[in-house]
Amino acid sequence: AAGVIQSPRHLIKEKRETATLKCYPIPRHDTVYWYQQGPGQDPQFLISFYEKMQSDKGSIPDRFSAQQFSDYHSELNMSSLELGDSALYFCASSLGRTPYEQYFGPGTRLTVT
Amino acid sequence: GDSVTQMEGPVTLSEEAFLTINCTYTATGYPSLFWYVQYPGEGLQLLLKATKADDKGSNKGFEATYRKETTSFHLEKGSVQVSDSAVYFCALISTGAGSYQLTFGKGTKLSVIP
Repeated sequence: AAGVIQSPRHLIKEKRETATLKCYPIPRHDTVYWYQQGPGQDPQFLISFYEKMQSDKGSIPDRFSAQQFSDYHSELNMSSLELGDSALYFCASSLGRTPYEQYFGPGTRLTVT
Repeated sequence: GDSVTQMEGPVTLSEEAFLTINCTYTATGYPSLFWYVQYPGEGLQLLLKATKADDKGSNKGFEATYRKETTSFHLEKGSVQVSDSAVYFCALISTGAGSYQLTFGKGTKLSVIP
């Protein structure tokens, strides 16, 4: 079965640079969630989209922005990167706004040097 | 706000031992409860879920019962295998609050030795 696809899987950036992470949800899933997991930490919710509209907002820094496109894929844009942004970024998708089945992608590991 | 507290690890067990990972929660509304598992170097996988009080979620020999009176959702398995070594996260969604974000516990690392 098709799963959530995230690209790139690994990304190395320097401080103050920008990064773009992409997420392709499971076919027909219309809701996308972004989570950030620091080293040895639990995942923290950043933002979610339903039918291309922002549906919920968590602890996402103002330096980050995200959007969902007409084909339901989503991009997380990160600017003025800081060392503390080094983390694993997960995307999850679900069908509709049902919370019971959020399927996670493999994550993008971002390292800021 | 919502929160999940789970027992600190790491937990080390011998193969075929009984596993319990405690999880308690604080939430507004009527939460749905989940256990996710993260194998080394991989993403999160939904292990089991329960959406109302007294529901029992089960999968791959793991079980957890939604106990509203004790606000708990403890994970159990009767006989662990080496392949169960992973980090286990208890999580909730407070559907009554109109938000669908998962709130996770800190995770419990399980190591099973032969």
